[in-house]
Amino acid sequence: DQQVKQNSPSLSVQEGRISILNCDYTNSMFDYFLWYKKYPAEGPTFLISISSIKDKNEDGRFTVFLNKSAKHLSLHIVPSQPGDSAVYFCAARRNGGSARQLTFGSGTQLTVLP
Amino acid sequence: DAGVIQSPRHEVTEMGQEVTLRCKPISGHDYLFWYRQTMMRGLELLIYFNNNVPIDDSGMPEDRFSAKMPNASFSTLKIQPSEPRDSAVYFCASINSGGSRETQYFGPGTRLLVL
Repeated sequence: DQQVKQNSPSLSVQEGRISILNCDYTNSMFDYFLWYKKYPAEGPTFLISISSIKDKNEDGRFTVFLNKSAKHLSLHIVPSQPGDSAVYFCAARRNGGSARQLTFGSGTQLTVLP
Repeated sequence: DAGVIQSPRHEVTEMGQEVTLRCKPISGHDYLFWYRQTMMRGLELLIYFNNNVPIDDSGMPEDRFSAKMPNASFSTLKIQPSEPRDSAVYFCASINSGGSRETQYFGPGTRLLVL
């Protein structure tokens, strides 16, 4: 049972346009959400995060939106650049206690075409 | 800071052999995580430690898998005996729970192929 789902395994966009990556979750106990980017032969690296008390967080070209009622979050990249081509993982963490584990989605391969 | 270090980077072995993967977390980090990445299941958490103590190993697939953390700077993930379905990329990650932003820092991974 996948608690974090990324239903699009791949996405292609033109350089300069907006990339929108989507993520859905089922566990209402999740209170903190993160996006990681992964290049081939490297480990995932943290990109941006959002707490459940917010609905938007922006960092340069990257913005994450959270819709708690729909249990949906999205990552917007504007403008997209060829260097953004990577696999993007959505991740979520439960609140409470000393739990620090993240539940990851299966990833979306983003290809930005020059 | 050298980041999370994993060894080996690549491992090819035959079915039935023992495989040991190694991880050195970032100095000062108090949590360590082992993940497995496959095409079918994405990134799965196998086990994690807090201050060298295993906290949750519910993600470990079966008894063939074991993990240890004898000290704050070293952890191993062992598969014995290995099977072809264990072929995957195994990642180690660590965090400092006292940091201002709790994000996991991943190592480069070990690509395991079991023939």
